[in-house]
Amino acid sequence: DAGVIQSPRHEVTEMGQEVTLRCKPISGHNSLFWYRQTMMRGLELLIYFNNNVPIDDSGMPEDRFSAKMPNASFSTLKIQPSEPRDSAVYFCASSLDGEVNTEAFFGQGTRLTVV
Amino acid sequence: AQSVTQLGSHVSVSEGALVLLRCNYSSSVPPYLFWYVQYPNQGLQLLLKYTSAATLVKGINGFEAEFKKSETSFHLTKPSAHMSDAAEYFCAVSGSASKIIFGSGTRLSIRP
Repeated sequence: DAGVIQSPRHEVTEMGQEVTLRCKPISGHNSLFWYRQTMMRGLELLIYFNNNVPIDDSGMPEDRFSAKMPNASFSTLKIQPSEPRDSAVYFCASSLDGEVNTEAFFGQGTRLTVV
Repeated sequence: AQSVTQLGSHVSVSEGALVLLRCNYSSSVPPYLFWYVQYPNQGLQLLLKYTSAATLVKGINGFEAEFKKSETSFHLTKPSAHMSDAAEYFCAVSGSASKIIFGSGTRLSIRP
């Protein structure tokens, strides 16, 4: 398996523009997580899905952020409109949730810079 | 609810010395505990995990961690540090649901 695949790896956009980050989880995994990593706040859980359903979005910072998982093999995180303070590395991770929680497998991340 | 606290945002040890990275957890249910490592410009990768099978867990690259319920701790150790161990280390916890919560991370530096 190729692992969790995120695209793009780097994104530079102007303030006010819409940004869409994409994630393909590991085939067969039924949980998907979006995390944001910054120097100031560390690694924050934004939202997680189980069986394509959003379970907990309490970490989503504002209404400007939205996430979808239309099927088991694809998820998006959208920021509209983007602001400079959204600059961070965004990670997607997936896991297989069963009787014993397995670990989360991480993608390489998308480094977002909003200027 | 679950949470983890990592003591020390930066730890520096000499090459060949013992590595000890501290993690304390809080959980209302029996926890699953993890240690991840992040190298520069990379995603996180699993070092080891505790899932109640054994309290002493061995992971990759010579690392191990011991689950101590009485101390609510899951400290990470390695007997002899290597230059390649320099990275950021994250402790994480999950409970009965899938949600995985990470600590603030500890940056490990290795002195020659």
